Amino acid sequence: GDSVTQMEGPVTLSEEAFLTINCTYTATGYPSLFWYVQYPGEGLQLLLKATKADDKGSNKGFEATYRKETTSFHLEKGSVQVSDSAVYFCALSSTGANNLFFGTGTRLTVIP
Amino acid sequence: SQTIHQWPATLVQPVGSPLSLECTVEGTSNPNLYWYRQAAGRGLQLLFYSVGIGQISSEVPQNLSASRPQDRQFILSSKKLLLSDSGFYLCAWSPLAGRSYEQYFGPGTRLTVT
Repeated sequence: GDSVTQMEGPVTLSEEAFLTINCTYTATGYPSLFWYVQYPGEGLQLLLKATKADDKGSNKGFEATYRKETTSFHLEKGSVQVSDSAVYFCALSSTGANNLFFGTGTRLTVIP
Repeated sequence: SQTIHQWPATLVQPVGSPLSLECTVEGTSNPNLYWYRQAAGRGLQLLFYSVGIGQISSEVPQNLSASRPQDRQFILSSKKLLLSDSGFYLCAWSPLAGRSYEQYFGPGTRLTVT
């Protein structure tokens, strides 16, 4: 079945460090891929998405590239800020499915 | 623009009491609607989804139920709460019924069962 495997956390970085959160997926067909962010006590917000192979999603300095050959969608940011501290979820939407498959989430803490 | 509302924001209920959480969406028609639960420090568990009025699919057997009495209203209920029902409940919608796109989440309801 379809699934998402996400890098285990927590991840702690110093401000201005480079961030990578790994995400790999298993799916039939051609899924769409998403990254969501959840700040403390809030719902999830869509951070970025990619709908086909080699697409790059980007938003607020975050980027992720849909790599079909490695079935991956790793999240990156060149210079993290304290305000980026949150839980990040990778997710996929399969063709014909009515729901998203979420990873388990990765907690990021950025220290000044 | 579309917005999604959930209420209440916080709820403390005793074991055995009933539950009703409400979710409404504005600015769109015929959305897919979803209820998720997030236990403390855990990922998301899909509870129910709906592709139309009166159409509910259950993903996990439990003492919870869902209803969709109107196109943009989704209600999560229980007749008798259990301690294990504590968690953060999230409602979400996606733009097109019958097809999966990105989902947009509400602010959530934090439920504590005592």
